[in-house]
Amino acid sequence: DQQVKQNSPSLSVQEGRISILNCDYTNSMFDYFLWYKKYPAEGPTFLISISSIKDKNEDGRFTVFLNKSAKHLSLHIVPSQPGDSAVYFCAASALYSGAGSYQLTFGKGTKLSVIP
Amino acid sequence: DTEVTQTPKHLVMGMTNKKSLKCEQHMGHRAMYWYKQKAKKPPELMFVYSYEKLSINESVPSRFSPECPNSSLLNLHLHALQPEDSALYLCASSQGPGDSTDTQYFGPGTRLTVL
Repeated sequence: DQQVKQNSPSLSVQEGRISILNCDYTNSMFDYFLWYKKYPAEGPTFLISISSIKDKNEDGRFTVFLNKSAKHLSLHIVPSQPGDSAVYFCAASALYSGAGSYQLTFGKGTKLSVIP
Repeated sequence: DTEVTQTPKHLVMGMTNKKSLKCEQHMGHRAMYWYKQKAKKPPELMFVYSYEKLSINESVPSRFSPECPNSSLLNLHLHALQPEDSALYLCASSQGPGDSTDTQYFGPGTRLTVL
């Protein structure tokens, strides 16, 4: 059962326009959400995060929105640039039962292509 | 500084070989992780170390053996691997347990090919 879903495997956007990447989750125990950007054959790079007590977090061109009632978050990139072309993973954090550590659950990723 | 380093970058090994992957961080993080990632898939958690003690083992086969010699280093010892173990192996670190906003930072990965 997939607890974190990114239903769009790919997205193409014109340079300068807004990119919106979506993520849905099912586990109400998730209380921290992260977005990672990944280039082929490289490790994921942390991009931005949001705590469940907030509904918006902004960092430069990147904004993450959280709708807890809908169990939905989205990443907005404005304006989109060709260098933003990568796979974006949504991840959700919850306490791992009995271990005292927080564990990330990843979505399958969305491949963003920004067209010059 | 949020740098996690991993060596080697690429590794090719036979099924009878013994090799080790290394990971290092100097951010004072107390939790370190090993993930495995296959092409077009999300990272899959293998092991978690908290304060140098193994806290999570996600039912990983014994041919993978993790080791945390100190708070900055994490090794993954490999022995008698199978071709299906070929993947990108990622190391990550974070501040540590008990923090609900604990952010994991990933290294560049080791691309492992088992022949």
